[in-house]
Formats: sequence, C-alpha cells, structure tokens
Amino acid sequence: DQQVKQNSPSLSVQEGRISILNCDYTNSMFDYFLWYKKYPAEGPTFLISISSIKDKNEDGRFTVFLNKSAKHLSLHIVPSQPGDSAVYFCAARSSASGGSYIPTFGRGTSLIVHP
Amino acid sequence: EAGVVQSPRYKIIEKKQPVAFWCNPISGHNTLYWYLQNLGQGPELLIRYENEEAVDDSQLPKDRFSAERLKGVDSTLKIQPAELGDSAVYLCASSLGPTPTRGYTFGSGTRLTVV
Repeated sequence: DQQVKQNSPSLSVQEGRISILNCDYTNSMFDYFLWYKKYPAEGPTFLISISSIKDKNEDGRFTVFLNKSAKHLSLHIVPSQPGDSAVYFCAARSSASGGSYIPTFGRGTSLIVHP
Repeated sequence: EAGVVQSPRYKIIEKKQPVAFWCNPISGHNTLYWYLQNLGQGPELLIRYENEEAVDDSQLPKDRFSAERLKGVDSTLKIQPAELGDSAVYLCASSLGPTPTRGYTFGSGTRLTVV
C-alpha cells in the first residue's frame, strides 16, 4: 500500500506558465515533506521542504503548499522554464516517537516544459 | 564540496554472479542510506547507517544482500548471487543526522542490469 501517492505520472506545460505537481499521503504520522528533482542518469536533488507546522514554504520560483486535513501537498513552479523538465518526487517522513525518520517516496511525476 | 560519489555508474552481470557497489558520502555526513529504485518507481530504502552502525535494515533482503560501512565513512553494498529481478538503480545518499531540514544528498547511482 503506497503511503505517498503521485497520481499524475506526467505533466506538460508551456514555458512561462505555472506547473502544479500534486502529492497525497495516507500516514497521519508524517510531519515533514520534501520535493526532489531528478534528471536522467543523475541522482535526485533536493528542491524544497515543508514542516507540518506550516502550510506554505517558498523558495524563488518554487512554492510548496500543505493541506494537512486533506493529506495533500502540491509544488508550484512559476514561471516554468525548459530546464525544469525532470521527474519530481514527493517524499514524506515522520519524526514522532515510534515513527520512522526514513523518507517514503512517491513514484514521481515527469514534468515537460515546452519552449 | 564533492558530492556523494558512487561507483561503478553501470554494471552488467549474468545472473547468479556476485556484484558490489561502492559509495563515498559527503565528508562529515554521519548518516548514510542505500536505496533501490526500480523503473517508474520512487526510491525505496534498503539500509540506513548511523556512523558504522546499521540502524534500519528491515528492507534489506539478507539472504542475498549485504552491506558494510567500515570506519563510518565509505560503504559497500553487495549482492550474491544476483537475480534477474535485481536489475535496478542503486542509489546512495548521505545526510548530517537522520532528520536534515534540507533533505538528503544523493549520488548518481549505479544502474545494474542482470542478464
């Protein structure tokens, strides 16, 4: 049973527009969420994270929104650039006692930004 | 600063043969992870080390997989004997502690093909 779900395997957007990547989770013990970006033949690289005590975190063109009641988070990229074309992984972990520090990853969403 | 270094980048072996992967984490990172990534999936944890101690290896198939992290720095992951289903990308990651706020740094991975 997948605890972190990225239900859209792919997303295509036009350069300059907004990209919205979605992620849902089922484990209510998750309290820290991360987004990773992966280019072909490279390892994932950290992009942005958010703690469950917040509902928004922004870093340049990247913003992550967290809706705890819906167990949903999303990554917004504005404006999208062709260099953003990559696979994006959502990950979640729990720091609570009895929880695991190990992040659980979703299956990823492949983003293609067209010039 | 050098990133997480993995070798080899690619490996093709026949089934039932042994294979080993090597990882050199970022200097000073005491936490080291080995992940398995199948095609179209997110990374899945195999084992986590805190210094030289394996603290989470519940997902490691111990009948054929083994790992070590001598002196708490470099790590080696071994498969003996390899099976066709072991074909995947093996990722190593490191972090300063188990709950880094800026995520985990991944290496480029070793792509294993078992024929």
